[in-house]
Amino acid sequence: QVQLQESGPGLVKPSETLSLTCTVSGGSIRDYYWTWIRQPPGKGLEWIGYIYYSGNSNYNPSLKSRVTISVDTSKNQFSLKVSSATAADTAVYYCARHSAYSQGAFDYWGQGTLVTVSS
Amino acid sequence: DIQMTQSPSTLSPSVGDRVTITCRASQSISSWLAWYQQRPGKAPKLLIYKASSLESGVPSRFSGSGSGTEFTLTISSLQPDDFATYYCQQYSSYSPLTFGGGTKVEIK
Repeated sequence: QVQLQESGPGLVKPSETLSLTCTVSGGSIRDYYWTWIRQPPGKGLEWIGYIYYSGNSNYNPSLKSRVTISVDTSKNQFSLKVSSATAADTAVYYCARHSAYSQGAFDYWGQGTLVTVSS
Repeated sequence: DIQMTQSPSTLSPSVGDRVTITCRASQSISSWLAWYQQRPGKAPKLLIYKASSLESGVPSRFSGSGSGTEFTLTISSLQPDDFATYYCQQYSSYSPLTFGGGTKVEIK
């Protein structure tokens, strides 16, 4: 059974870089596309971007200038960095796997981690 | 961006009721649509992909239909476990992938 687990600081200061890692267990990171999604408190879902094990990636244009997603196949992990963080980046951040049957849908999700941007 | 609009934003049915949620896309997305269920404090769960294909392990009371710009998620007989928020998501365009605003199904 595939499991995803987000990790990283729960508090980030404004203007600093938000950094999270997603560890994949129960399967190889090489077999699928992997994505980051966030959800501000009480609001809806926003797709941030995806990555493939080869390093091929695609980002939401609204965040592209501040976002980097990378992959470490040796650790079965992928990571997210959001630079110049502001209060608007406060959200629960989820990592997820793109479905094998329909690549744009997400069939496995991490439990989510709340990141608060505040001084 | 392809905008996804869900209606209604809130529903208050009773257990056993048939529930229908609508999702409209701002342009044609063929059948590239997924539905998710999110319970409070939990990650979303995939219910339906490609508009009408039931994800493995999802109860058969959930069904999806539609193509082009108009889609529906139907729960044939609402169970207590089904009180949650439901989101649609298009994947016709990856620039960017977008979600609807959500429909909260709350206890009457």
